[in-house]
Amino acid sequence: LAKTTQPISMDSYEGQEVNITCSHNNIATNDYITWYQQFPSQGPRFIIQGYKTKVTNEVASLFIPADRKSSTLSLPRVSLSDTAVYYCLVGDGGSQGNLIFGKGTKLSVKP
Amino acid sequence: DGGITQSPKYLFRKEGQNVTLSCEQNLNHDAMYWYRQDPGQGLRLIYYSQIVNDFQKGDIAEGYSVSREKKESFPLTVTSAQKNPTAFYLCASRSTSPPYNEQFFGPGTRLTVL
Repeated sequence: LAKTTQPISMDSYEGQEVNITCSHNNIATNDYITWYQQFPSQGPRFIIQGYKTKVTNEVASLFIPADRKSSTLSLPRVSLSDTAVYYCLVGDGGSQGNLIFGKGTKLSVKP
Repeated sequence: DGGITQSPKYLFRKEGQNVTLSCEQNLNHDAMYWYRQDPGQGLRLIYYSQIVNDFQKGDIAEGYSVSREKKESFPLTVTSAQKNPTAFYLCASRSTSPPYNEQFFGPGTRLTVL
């Protein structure tokens, strides 16, 4: 399972776009890239998943370059309620489905 | 509503006692997982099960046991052999259909050993 590296923390202000980059140099051909959000004392919540190029849903966009060794989660116009820990994970999911959760990136959104 | 339930939300245990954490899902998922989370840390995998009557150890299985007698249920027992059991425990399930890495998490159980 590929390991990931992401910043420990980030600060932002309401209304700004936030980009969180994750490195996964050893990503395998079958691996997907998935991002989760976790609020204190709650279970993580799936945000977005992608394999290559760009994926967009109602809450975020995920940018993946051609070499797939990194990915960027983009949160448009963050609000205070986006303050949370964001985890980047890679895995094929199709076998054991094991996911390695690192320490994540703690995003603090200020007014 | 489909989802995962965990009970209880808070649990207190005396040292030397075993305690069982409940996890139930009605999502018809084959795979289920137990994670442990310590303050300021990520999630660590304790046990997982891909199918009924089968389960595998994760990274930190020592001091824990599980069973998977029904598809919907995956209880975790924290035994007295677990030296530092105070933590936040999360149960999750996963479909074998895309998106492959989408695990659905329960609300968690916070276990405190007194």
